[in-house]
Amino acid sequence: EPEVTQTPSHQVTQMGQEVILRCVPISNHLYFYWYRQILGQKVEFLVSFYNNEISEKSEIFDDQFSVERPDGSNFTLKIRSTKLEDSAMYFCASSEGSLAYTEAFFGQGTRLTVV
Amino acid sequence: DQQVKQNSPSLSVQEGRISILNCDYTNSMFDYFLWYKKYPAEGPTFLISISSIKDKNEDGRFTVFLNKSAKHLSLHIVPSQPGDSAVYFCAASRPNDYKLSFGAGTTVTVRA
Repeated sequence: EPEVTQTPSHQVTQMGQEVILRCVPISNHLYFYWYRQILGQKVEFLVSFYNNEISEKSEIFDDQFSVERPDGSNFTLKIRSTKLEDSAMYFCASSEGSLAYTEAFFGQGTRLTVV
Repeated sequence: DQQVKQNSPSLSVQEGRISILNCDYTNSMFDYFLWYKKYPAEGPTFLISISSIKDKNEDGRFTVFLNKSAKHLSLHIVPSQPGDSAVYFCAASRPNDYKLSFGAGTTVTVRA
């Protein structure tokens, strides 16, 4: 069964450092997303990406964050200067169509720990 | 973002019995609703969905009911199995949304 894959599974970084979280969405999917879940809190939307551009972003997704689809298979989330409060599980997701009528499939997540 | 609410943080049920999880929403523009299941250290896994044009959708042991007038949906799992022990998230989207809005989750524990 096709799945969304994320690497690395766990990333530890020093505060102020840049991190890149990587994702390979399901191959025929057209919509891509990043969500995060801070320990003990709800799953929060960060950004959606369609047709090579950001289609929607949350207030969390400030200038420190960026996304890129550098080739036909990868989808990355970059945090330029990490803060302690960026520590969370980051989930990549993809969907075949609009979320108005189809489900998103999630990866296993990357646990980001900022020290 | 409190538009999707799961007011019961946890639910304990005997194996073989029915699990009923509830979800309320405040935004009347939501018209597509989903349930996801999540094990620790894994990503959410899609379970079942329902469009606002329906009031019930069934898939095996899982049934979702939608009451639009009450802005309420529920997930029924019957019979509950030990492998159903997980966190269950309710999620919703609007027609022009590029995102899902999630509830806080309900932790289900199925007792043998």
